Amino acid sequence: DAGITQSPRHKVTETGTPVTLRCHQTENHRYMYWYRQDPGHGLRLIHYSYGVKDTDKGEVSDGYSVSRSKTEDFLLTLESATSSQTSVYFCATAVDRVNSPLHFGNGTRLTVT
Amino acid sequence: AQKITQTQPGMFVQEKEAVTLDCTYDTSDPSYGLFWYKQPSSGEMIFLIYQGSYDQQNATEGRYSLNFQKARKSANLVISASQLGDSAMYFCAMREMNYGGSQGNLIFGKGTKLSVKP
Repeated sequence: DAGITQSPRHKVTETGTPVTLRCHQTENHRYMYWYRQDPGHGLRLIHYSYGVKDTDKGEVSDGYSVSRSKTEDFLLTLESATSSQTSVYFCATAVDRVNSPLHFGNGTRLTVT
Repeated sequence: AQKITQTQPGMFVQEKEAVTLDCTYDTSDPSYGLFWYKQPSSGEMIFLIYQGSYDQQNATEGRYSLNFQKARKSANLVISASQLGDSAMYFCAMREMNYGGSQGNLIFGKGTKLSVKP
């Protein structure tokens, strides 16, 4: 949907290692988001971007950083992965922040052992 | 306090019957939007329907309709003539336009798992 590609789709990593997840979009949407999905919690916003090099924190941003050097790419980095960051991560994009819906990528399943 | 509450963790419905999934929300912002998403077992998030707080009529999209009761702060999703392919998790979400730290971002409920029985 909306040409959103997340990579990798699956990753297993060890506690304490850095991890970077990539989101690439081809629709030239201004707004990009990273959510995590955990059982019993729905989707929670980690970070979002409202333009190149413009990012802000979401509800659960501790332990995560993001970067957006190009309109089409939004990177999520776990500087030192912890087991509590085992989750499914979704990238999403939107045309605006008024009435347009989010379009989601297919998700990345991250396991931290 | 939760912004979005979905009180039904799981529901069953018979194929071809209608089903209502509940969603209540909490906001003091007069300008907001309400969204419903479907997540099948394959994991992708599919946008279903949108309702703006100033919209006069309930939103409809094919077999999906949104029963919007502004005074009660509820935005229930109605699926008519359920099909086996409707079995999925359903998420309600809200976007506040003006107030609060989450301004402009979508806040999701915890979801309702719908199972359609043949």
